[in-house]
Order: sequence, then C-alpha cells, then structure tokens
Amino acid sequence: GDQVEQSPSALSLHEGTSSALRCNFTTTTRSVQWFRQNSRGSLINLFYLASGTKENGRLKSAFDSKELYSTLHIRDAQLEDSGTYFCAAEGGTNAYKVIFGKGTHLHVLP
Amino acid sequence: GGIITQTPKFLIGQEGQKLTLKCQQNFNHDTMYWYRQDSGKGLRLIYYSITENDLQKGDLSEGYDASREKKSSFSLTVTSAQKNEMAVFLCASSPRDWGYEQYFGPGTRLTVL
Repeated sequence: GDQVEQSPSALSLHEGTSSALRCNFTTTTRSVQWFRQNSRGSLINLFYLASGTKENGRLKSAFDSKELYSTLHIRDAQLEDSGTYFCAAEGGTNAYKVIFGKGTHLHVLP
Repeated sequence: GGIITQTPKFLIGQEGQKLTLKCQQNFNHDTMYWYRQDSGKGLRLIYYSITENDLQKGDLSEGYDASREKKSSFSLTVTSAQKNEMAVFLCASSPRDWGYEQYFGPGTRLTVL
C-alpha cells in the first residue's frame, strides 16, 4: 500500500474558519515536509520537521515519528490559502527517497 | 537564498521524439531530483543524483535518461515521447540526499501531439 496516506483528499472551507490536514505514514519516517502547490503549479515550501511542531502565521504543523503521522493546521483560512497541499516523507525502506502523498485539494470559499 | 530554474517552461513534442529538459540550481546543493506530476496527482520520482556524475533510479525511470553534468545542473531526457502524454516535470534540490528540505523549480509542462 501507499507509504504516505493523506487526508482528506479534498476540503472546502469558508473564509475565517479553521481545519487540519493529516498524513499517516506506514513505515519509519525521519522527517516530513509540507508544500502548497498554487494554481501555476509552483510548489511552495511550508514546513520541514524532523520532530515536534512548527508555526508560521496561521499555519502550524506537527510531526509524531513514533505514532507515524503529521498534521497541518490552517487557522482563519483566507482565499489565498486555496491550492493543493502535499506532505512528503523522508525515510522508509530506502533512506534516499522522499515519498509524496497524493495531496489535499483545498478550496477556500468567500 | 537561491533559485532553481527549469527550461523550457513549455515543451511540445511529437510522438517518438527525444526531448531534453534542463534544471539549474545556485543553492550549491549536493542532491538533485526529477519528478513527474500528472494532472491532479501527486509527484513520482524519476531520477535523483547525490553528487556530480551520480545517478540513481526512482520509481518511474523507465523511458527516461538523466545526466548530472555538474553540481549545479541536472538534465532529464524523455527517450521516446508517448502520444497524448501530458505531464509537468519538476526539478528539486536539497543540501544532502536525506535530512534536509527539498526546494522545487517552477516546472516544465510537456505536451506530446
């Protein structure tokens, strides 16, 4: 099965509301990276975590390597948050490969 | 800061044609990657390179060649373009083969007629 399971696959939020995206890992993961892909296809780095939590403005991410999951919390969603969010896991059976989840398509509604 | 540039931005080819995509980074990163992204899907690793002249196959290497001519550049060749193929090819780099963040270029959008 997939090494990185991302959920939900799609999400609609009204402006000002909050939600969380999640990645579950099926094998040992040393670190996780979160990206947002915008409408032009550019991948924007959001967070890189080897453990614990990080916060940047309205975004906060956590990584639990023991329980094999990571979350990305979006607080007070804005229209510009719309896009596809990917998590990428480093580790697993091949130490050199980074495995991407299938993404969460987020649509923020006015 | 640094930047990753990919050329061309758009590439239109004919079935059976050999096509080359180029990637340059000025981060002075050791490792570079090529990914393929099909419409609405995640990224799949084609090739990566840990250092100059090194090549490692990813999950999707069949039908592709790659070349790491120097530390700053990594090129990808589609050996025989498939009709109706449409995908975005993304190049990335990171300071080490594992343990650090990946930084992505803007992508090359391929269309095969």
